[in-house]
Amino acid sequence: DIQMTQSPSTLSASVGDRVTITCRASQSISSWLAWYQQRPGKAPKLLIFGVSSLEPGVPSRFSGSGSGTDFTLTISSLQPDDFATYYCQQYNSYSTFGQGTKVEI
Amino acid sequence: EAQLLESGGGLEQPGGSLRLSCAASGFTFSTYDMSWVRQAPGQGLEWVSRISARGANTYYADSVRGRFTISRDNSKNTLYLQMNSLRADDTAVYYCAKHSGNYWYFDLWGRGTLVTVSS
Repeated sequence: DIQMTQSPSTLSASVGDRVTITCRASQSISSWLAWYQQRPGKAPKLLIFGVSSLEPGVPSRFSGSGSGTDFTLTISSLQPDDFATYYCQQYNSYSTFGQGTKVEI
Repeated sequence: EAQLLESGGGLEQPGGSLRLSCAASGFTFSTYDMSWVRQAPGQGLEWVSRISARGANTYYADSVRGRFTISRDNSKNTLYLQMNSLRADDTAVYYCAKHSGNYWYFDLWGRGTLVTVSS
C-alpha cells in the first residue's frame, strides 16, 4: 500500500500569509495526486487534481506542484475562508489520503 | 446542481448490520464510478469501496473486505453500502463520492451519514 505523509499536522497563520503544505508518498505516484479542503462539519471539497490542475471554481490563490514522491499545496494569500483542514490523496494505486494539515489562526 | 445525499446511518451494536444509501441527482449517475469514503471521529479520510458505472466491478479496502458490499441501482440513481459484522472501529461518518471520469479522485461528495458501532 502507498502511504501518504503530510507536514505539518497543524499550521498557524494569518490572513494574507503565504502557506505551503507538503505531502510525501512512500513510493512514486507520478502525477496522480489530488488536494482537498475540508471545513469543520462539512464534506471534503476537491481543490486540485493531477498535481497542479485547479478544479473549476477554485480560487487561483491555490496552486500545487511536485512529482514522483514529493508534492506541495500553496495558498498564495490566505483568506478567512481558507482556515480548514487540507488532505492530499494519491490515486496511482487505488486511493490513499494523507493524515491532514489543519490551517488555523 | 449535482448532489449526493446519504442516509441510513445510526447506532448499531458490534456484530450487527446496517445499509447505507446515497441518492444522486443533477448528473447522469449511471455513467460514473462511485465510492464510499469514511472518516472516524477526529481522524482523516479512508477510502472504503468503489463500484464501476454499471456495477460490474467492485473494489474494497482490506479493512472491510468480506464484511461490506457495495452495490448500485442505476434505475433509482442510488448507491448502497451493506455493512455486516460491524466493529467499533467502523464508527465514522460515511461519505459517498463521485469519481471524476475513470480516475480515483472525487469531484463530488455527499454530506455524509454517521455510523456509530457501540454496545
